[in-house]
Amino acid sequence: KQEVTQIPAALSVPEGENLVLNCSFTDSAIYNLQWFRQDPGKGLTSLLLIQSSQREQTSGRLNASLDKSSGRSTLYIAASQPGDSATYLCVVDMYQGAQKLVFGQGTRLTINP
Amino acid sequence: DTAVSQTPKYLVTQMGNDKSIKCEQNLGHDTMYWYKQDSKKFLKIMFSYNNKELIINETVPNRFSPKSPDKAHLNLHINSLELGDSAVYFCASSQAFRRGPLKNIQYFGAGTRLSVL
Repeated sequence: KQEVTQIPAALSVPEGENLVLNCSFTDSAIYNLQWFRQDPGKGLTSLLLIQSSQREQTSGRLNASLDKSSGRSTLYIAASQPGDSATYLCVVDMYQGAQKLVFGQGTRLTINP
Repeated sequence: DTAVSQTPKYLVTQMGNDKSIKCEQNLGHDTMYWYKQDSKKFLKIMFSYNNKELIINETVPNRFSPKSPDKAHLNLHINSLELGDSAVYFCASSQAFRRGPLKNIQYFGAGTRLSVL
């Protein structure tokens, strides 16, 4: 059974800092890995998707890496801004004949002005 | 112009009641999903439908019955509500459920917070 763990559970940093969110998963037989952002009352938004054959993806100030063999992914946020405050979810797709997402518990990020 | 919309946003009800949550997507997607986010904040898949056909049913109690009148709608009906059903329920959709990088992006609704008293 796939388990996705995110560390830390919460993080509070001053604006402008670079930061790293960590994710680990127990079963390396994943189809892809995504990082989602969850804002209160606004649902979830996919930020980055890394296919199992890829090592990283970048979008603006965000960079996500994937090491499938060790079961790890990191989300790097550069030059953090207060608008980055949200919960970040690491999600793996197990794809068992159909897309099947397994979610981590999330890292609640607060960027202080 | 919301892509995936859920109603209601909040639902407070008594134990034993029957309630429904509606979901609609205007993205032209073929696949829709229901997720439950419990008090520990984990999101877990409940159901997925593709073109009105059930694809995934994750050992959800049969008090939960999804209904898909057409591929743009996937409603969730819950019978005999229990205290443990209190959670946030999210609806999502994707272009398809089979392999393919762009087709695997799921778009989520804002969630329905269900409180059973």
